[in-house]
This record gives sequence, C-alpha cells and structure tokens, in this order.
Amino acid sequence: EIVLTQSPGTLSLSPGERATLSCRASQSVSSSYLAWYQQKPGQAPRLLIYGASSRATGIPDRFSGSGSGTDFTLTISRLEPEDFAVYYCQQYGSSQRLTFGGGTKVEIK
Amino acid sequence: EVQLVESGGGLVQPGRSLRLSCAASGFTFDDYAMHWVRQAPGKGLEWVSGISWNSGSIGYADSVKGRFTISRDNAKNSLYLQMNSLRAEDTALYYCAKADGYNSAFDYWGQGTLVTVSS
Repeated sequence: EIVLTQSPGTLSLSPGERATLSCRASQSVSSSYLAWYQQKPGQAPRLLIYGASSRATGIPDRFSGSGSGTDFTLTISRLEPEDFAVYYCQQYGSSQRLTFGGGTKVEIK
Repeated sequence: EVQLVESGGGLVQPGRSLRLSCAASGFTFDDYAMHWVRQAPGKGLEWVSGISWNSGSIGYADSVKGRFTISRDNAKNSLYLQMNSLRAEDTALYYCAKADGYNSAFDYWGQGTLVTVSS
C-alpha cells in the first residue's frame, strides 16, 4: 500500500498570501495518478487537481499542482476567503488499492 | 446534473451488519467506476472500496477486507456496500464517489450517510 504523508498539518496564512502544500508518497505514484481535493466543514470533498497537474472543471487557475514520482505540491497562488479549508492528496494508480493523505488544514492567520 | 444519494446508515451494535446504498442519477451509471470513502468524526478521508463499471475490478482497504463487500446493480443505477462484523472503528460518514475509471480521480461525491457502531 502506498502511504501518503502531507505537510504541514496546519498552514496559517492571510488572504492574498501564497499557500504551498506538500504530499510525499512512500513509493513512486505511477503515471502521476495523484489528485488533490478540498473539503469545507459539513461538505463533501471537491476534486481540484487530477493527474498531478490538471485542474478539474470549474477550478480557478489560482490552484495549481505539480510533481512526479514521490513528491507532489499543491499551490494556491493568492488565497481567497473561500479557500480556507482542508486539502487532501490521493493516489489512484496503485492497482486496486487507493489511498488518501492525512490532510492539510489551511486556516486564517 | 450528477447526483449521488447515500442511504442505509444508522446506529448498529458491534458485530452486526448493515447495507449501504448509493442511488446515482444524471449520468450513464454503467459507464463509470464507483467507490466508497469514509470519514470518522473529526478525522481524514479513508478509501474503503472500489468497483469498476462491469464489476471486473474490485478492491478493498486492508481495514475492511473480508468484512465488507461492494457490489453494483447497473440496471438500478445503484451501488452497495454490505458491511458485516462491524466494529466501533467503522463509525464514520460513508460517501460514495464516481470516477471515470477504477484508477481515476473522484469527480463527484454524495453527501454521505452516517454509520455509528455502538452498544
């Protein structure tokens, strides 16, 4: 099973600042089958990024994903008030067993 | 509009069984893979199980393997999760999610159904 470790656990930033979230895999994620999701309190997760760097439908371009192999990054270029939430990475390339990272909370400083 | 509506959650005693359902609409159900994901209160997301469009590929997390069974009925546009030998640690909000293929990101999620395992 591929274990995903997200860091930091919590990121305290102000609106307008840049957020950089990390996701590290215990082994290489095949074909960059890595996604990022956003979850707000009381809501289901929402797909932001798939294939490590492709934005999902309707996702603003301030969200970008990068990385390959075992190291992946989600960047929010300028935080908007609605971006304060919990973010999860997920690998979906490991045969039949998919996994999520533990999450990074982006909170208002 | 894609809609996924989970049902079947509730309070159940340890060791008992429960069957969750997910009713899908707004897309051609038998063209897509489906998954179950759970979230314990105040915790992160945990992938539980997935099934390909034709049930040819099925997978389970180690934490539920041998106790949970995923299935689908394409004629009824429905996904199921049979949960046996339930434990306190299975307490969670259970989401169903749609994916283009088994090994694809989850583009739509339901709102979840709550399962509480307690005596």
